Formats: sequence, C-alpha cells, structure tokens
Amino acid sequence: KQEVTQIPAALSVPEGENLVLNCSFTDSAIYNLQWFRQDPGKGLTSLLLIQSSQREQTSGRLNASLDKSSGRSTLYIAASQPGDSATYLCAVRPGTGRRALTFGSGTRLQVQP
Amino acid sequence: ETGVTQTPRHLVMGMTNKKSLKCEQHLGHNAMYWYKQSAKKPLELMFVYNFKEQTENNSVPSRFSPECPNSSHLFLHLHTLQPEDSALYLCASSQVGQGRPQETQYFGPGTRLLVL
Repeated sequence: KQEVTQIPAALSVPEGENLVLNCSFTDSAIYNLQWFRQDPGKGLTSLLLIQSSQREQTSGRLNASLDKSSGRSTLYIAASQPGDSATYLCAVRPGTGRRALTFGSGTRLQVQP
Repeated sequence: ETGVTQTPRHLVMGMTNKKSLKCEQHLGHNAMYWYKQSAKKPLELMFVYNFKEQTENNSVPSRFSPECPNSSHLFLHLHTLQPEDSALYLCASSQVGQGRPQETQYFGPGTRLLVL
C-alpha cells in the first residue's frame, strides 16, 4: 500500500526566504505526482504536476523535482511571500491505471511579513 | 459559476438524519471524485466515477451512497452517519482519455460536515 509522507509538518519563515518542502512515497511505481495548495476552509488548488518520466516542473516561483527511484519529491518556493501561507499537499497517482490519488498529510506554511 | 462547486458548504446532521451533498463541475470533464479529509488523517479517496460509471470504491461504508446522474453532477447521499464521519468532503473532476497524460484533478471548496 502506497504511503506518502511530508516533512516538515509545519514551517514558519520570514518573508523573502527560499524554502524547500519534502515529500516521500514508498512505492516508486507511480504515474505522476502532484503538488497542491489548500487555504483554510477551502478546496485544493493544483500547483504542479510531474509525470513519472519527468525530473522537474516549474511555474513562476515554484519548482518541483521528482526522483522516482528514491521515492522523493521536493517543492522549492523562491522568495516566499505572506500570500504563500497555506497547507501544501503532495499526492501520487499509481501506475496501475487507477486514478485514486494518495495524499500526504501536508506541510502547513506560515510566511511572516 | 466556473470550476467545481459544492453545496452545501456546511452541514450539521444527527445520526438518524438523511442528507445529500451535491457537486457540480462546469469544466466539461468526464471523471468525478469524492474525497474525505478528516482532522487527523490525510485526504483519502472515497469514490471515482468515469463517464458516469463508478470505477473505484475505496472500501467506503454503505452509509455513504454516491450517485452520478451525468458527467457534470455528483451526489453523496448520507444516512445513519457516525460522529467519526465528521470531516471535510471534497469533490474533484478531471478530463480523462488518450492523449491527456496529465489529468490534473480540479477540486471544489468542500462541504464541512458535522455529525452529532
């Protein structure tokens, strides 16, 4: 059974810092990996999706990398802003044809102004 | 409205009540999902519907009954729930098919359910 772990569980940084969020998964047979953002009381917003054949994806100040063989992904946020404060979730889709995503517990990020 | 909408946004019900959660997607997608987000557990899939057919059921108790009358609407019928069923219920949709390897799932805002 796939398990997804996110470290740290919570993070507080001053504005302007670059930061890295970590995600690890136990079964490397994945189809893709997604990073989501969830604001309090709201649904999820997809940030980046990395196919199993890809190494990284970039969108603005966000960069996500994937090392499938070691079961790891990182989300790099450059020049953090208070508006980046949210919970960041990592999810993997299995390579079996199923569409069910397995989620980590998330990293709760607070960027101090 | 655009994207994925869910109603109601908040719901309080007793253990003997029957209620339904509604999800509607305005993205022209052909797959829809129900997820449950509890306070102390990671977000977990409940059901997947592909072209109105249920394709995945993650061992969900029968007190949760999904319904997908068409590719734009998804319901979750609730009856005789337990207090431990209190959670945020999220709906999502995606476009599946050949030539669409990414299949990003788009989520609604969720229904916050409290079972007393």
